[in-house]
Amino acid sequence: DQQVKQNSPSLSVQEGRISILNCDYTNSMFDYFLWYKKYPAEGPTFLISISSIKDKNEDGRFTVFLNKSAKHLSLHIVPSQPGDSAVYFCAARFMNNNAGNMLTFGGGTRLMVKP
Amino acid sequence: KAGVTQTPRYLIKTRGQQVTLSCSPISGHRSVSWYQQTPGQGLQFLFEYFSETQRNKGNFPGRFSGRQFSNSRSEMNVSTLELGDSALYLCASSFTGISYNSPLHFGNGTRLTVT
Repeated sequence: DQQVKQNSPSLSVQEGRISILNCDYTNSMFDYFLWYKKYPAEGPTFLISISSIKDKNEDGRFTVFLNKSAKHLSLHIVPSQPGDSAVYFCAARFMNNNAGNMLTFGGGTRLMVKP
Repeated sequence: KAGVTQTPRYLIKTRGQQVTLSCSPISGHRSVSWYQQTPGQGLQFLFEYFSETQRNKGNFPGRFSGRQFSNSRSEMNVSTLELGDSALYLCASSFTGISYNSPLHFGNGTRLTVT
């Protein structure tokens, strides 16, 4: 049972345009969400996160939106650059003492930004 | 500040053998987590150690074990290797004191191939 899903395995975007990556979750006990970017042969790199008490968090070109009622979050990259081409993972974590640092990951979306 | 360091980067083992992977967290980080990445199952949580104690464990058989030393360095061991254990094994660290709002920082992984 996949508790975190990224339904689009791949996304292709023109350089300079907006990239929107989506993520859905089923467990309402998740209340902290993170996005990671992964290049081949490297580990995931943290991008941005959001707590459930917020509906938006922005960091430079990256913005994450959270819709708790829909159990949906999205990552917006504006403007997209060729160097953004990578696999993007969303992840969710229970925010209580027992959960520690256990993250549940989505399956990833491969973003290709064309020059 | 040095990142998370995993050794070795690549490993080839035979079915039935055992293997030990090593992880050095970012200096000052006390939590170390291990994840397995495979094409079919994505990124899955193995276990987390905090202050030399296992804090959480994922849904993996007892052949997968780990430990953490007093300097926060961690090792994971897989005994009686099976072909399905072929994967990228990722280690991640975070400070995780009282606040859980600290993202995980991943190493570049150990690519294990079981033949």
